[in-house]
Amino acid sequence: KAGVTQTPRYLIKTRGQQVTLSCSPISGHRSVSWYQQTPGQGLQFLFEYFSETQRNKGNFPGRFSGRQFSNSRSEMNVSTLELGDSALYLCASSSTSGSHEQYFGPGTRLTVT
Amino acid sequence: QQQVKQSPQSLIVQKGGISIINCAYENTAFDYFPWYQQFPGKGPALLIAIRPDVSEKKEGRFTISFNKSAKQFSLHIMDSQPGDSATYFCAATYTGRRALTFGSGTRLQVQP
Repeated sequence: KAGVTQTPRYLIKTRGQQVTLSCSPISGHRSVSWYQQTPGQGLQFLFEYFSETQRNKGNFPGRFSGRQFSNSRSEMNVSTLELGDSALYLCASSSTSGSHEQYFGPGTRLTVT
Repeated sequence: QQQVKQSPQSLIVQKGGISIINCAYENTAFDYFPWYQQFPGKGPALLIAIRPDVSEKKEGRFTISFNKSAKQFSLHIMDSQPGDSATYFCAATYTGRRALTFGSGTRLQVQP
């Protein structure tokens, strides 16, 4: 099976702009979670989607949003970018068979200038 | 109560030695404890995971030890190899929730 894919891999944006990141989960996986990784804050949970519904949300401002499509692909959006949003954004997929195993993609490196 | 504390921050081990990374948690509702390995430029990769109904789980050179009463768990890497040099993260969550709470990470360097 192909792993989790994320596009784009690298992105440079300017403060105030918005950005959309994409994630395709492992085939058959219906749950997608997003995480932000920074040197200062480490790995932090953003949100989880299952069956096109947000199930959990982390402690991030409303500028961070996401959605999931019927084919389980997911996108996250960050509006009004700030310098502090520079990070590696990771997507993880998992099956819904009761297993908690989550498999991460390579991430999207976002740089805000 | 959602914190997972990880130590040490960095670790240098000689080839063939044992690497030990420790984590402690506060939330007694946590019942799933995975360890992830991350190489530079890559996403975290699931190494091994444990549930609190067992005290130890071994997969190859990787072993998780779990102490429920102390709310601590640790990763042991036996016969450490230079290829094991990476950052290791412990994490925790509970049944019905997929949001992982991560430790701060341990940068392991295995010297040849």
